[in-house]
Amino acid sequence: DSGVTQTPKHLITATGQRVTLRCSPRSGDLSVYWYQQSLDQGLQFLIQYYNGEERAKGNILERFSAQQFPDLHSELNLSSLELGDSALYFCASSVDHYGYTFGSGTRLTVV
Amino acid sequence: AQKITQTQPGMFVQEKEAVTLDCTYDTSDQSYGLFWYKQPSSGEMIFLIYQGSYDEQNATEGRYSLNFQKARKSANLVISASQLGDSAMYFCAILSPPLSGSARQLTFGSGTQLTVLP
Repeated sequence: DSGVTQTPKHLITATGQRVTLRCSPRSGDLSVYWYQQSLDQGLQFLIQYYNGEERAKGNILERFSAQQFPDLHSELNLSSLELGDSALYFCASSVDHYGYTFGSGTRLTVV
Repeated sequence: AQKITQTQPGMFVQEKEAVTLDCTYDTSDQSYGLFWYKQPSSGEMIFLIYQGSYDEQNATEGRYSLNFQKARKSANLVISASQLGDSAMYFCAILSPPLSGSARQLTFGSGTQLTVLP
């Protein structure tokens, strides 16, 4: 157990729908990062939050949004889902320069 | 901008032998960190080893060592005494600059699929 908790582990939904992925960082970590891993794009950085504030944005679509709550858990909201959004979505957290600790991921399948 | 290149899409190694996974990087920063992660078929991302750009010695973690050649901008992962459980996808990544408290995104390479043969 890495200490970073992601729920749900698997999600199957239809095109056009909206889903919410949840992440609880390791205790003490203030930063939360979201990554998307797809077969054609590899691992892509989506967004970072630090202590409740958005700190960096990567290749995140306008249909996607995220937030970090006062208890530091984070949610990634994906709307108007398309088949191409099917991917493994990772959350990671960090406190220092020794990189991230990743959660086990949420596998999203859009049908 | 940072870039990681992993030129080996797939590698095979015999059990108990050593294997080297290649990684080259490109960054204009003087201070940066290099990482290797392992992703087994179950999907989770497992941190293996870290090398800071100012570290004079190559990093080692058990059977994993990082062959860091700064002038060549390479950070190859060496796995000694391969085990069947080492079969997985391996990703090299760079974090630059590593000590910033602000935006600190990891940039990943495309990965190398390692298969350990019995």
